[in-house]
Amino acid sequence: DAGVTQSPTHLIKTRGQQVTLRCSPKSGHDTVSWYQQALGQGPQFIFQYYEEEERQRGNFPDRFSGHQFPNYSSELNVNALLLGDSALYLCASSLVLASSYNEQFFGPGTRLTVL
Amino acid sequence: DAKTTQPTSMDCAEGRAANLPCNHSTISGNEYVYWYRQIHSQGPQYIIHGLKNNETNEMASLIITEDRKSSTLILPHATLRDTAVYYCIVKEPWGAQKLVFGQGTRLTINP
Repeated sequence: DAGVTQSPTHLIKTRGQQVTLRCSPKSGHDTVSWYQQALGQGPQFIFQYYEEEERQRGNFPDRFSGHQFPNYSSELNVNALLLGDSALYLCASSLVLASSYNEQFFGPGTRLTVL
Repeated sequence: DAKTTQPTSMDCAEGRAANLPCNHSTISGNEYVYWYRQIHSQGPQYIIHGLKNNETNEMASLIITEDRKSSTLILPHATLRDTAVYYCIVKEPWGAQKLVFGQGTRLTINP
């Protein structure tokens, strides 16, 4: 059973460019959340997708957008890249209707460097 | 903002018990305490969670004070592979509530 997978592993972009990151959730999960982790900091919540809609959003500008597909996989898009967008981008999946503790499973992340 | 306070760093000898404290004085009645850890260059990994009773699983034990304002994660026999950043998070368990991470505790296990 594959866990959460993310692609690509590493990415280098220049300021002003656009980037798309991809995430496949753990088998059976229907919810995908995205987090940004700057160097030396804890992960910060960007947004969450369930039933192909954005359900929750953190304090991130509209340059950050996403999408969820019918197979529950998800994309994170960032437009007009800034140097400050350099970070590890983490995807986490979960099952929204889980009656128990609702553990979130994280992928290995995509390391984005903006030059 | 994170609702928890943790020491920035801790050290522990290999084979000894590692006790990681967490303060969550504003925890509400519906919120659980969750612990995740992040080994270098990997995504966070769930460890354990609890409401008010002590909990134990194959990875760790969680001790929550009676007033629920603080808790301690215990790794009973720490190994070098337990070196990681440990995050204490409080949140409601239902739905798919977002995780609010603080700075965490950087635990170093020394040989």
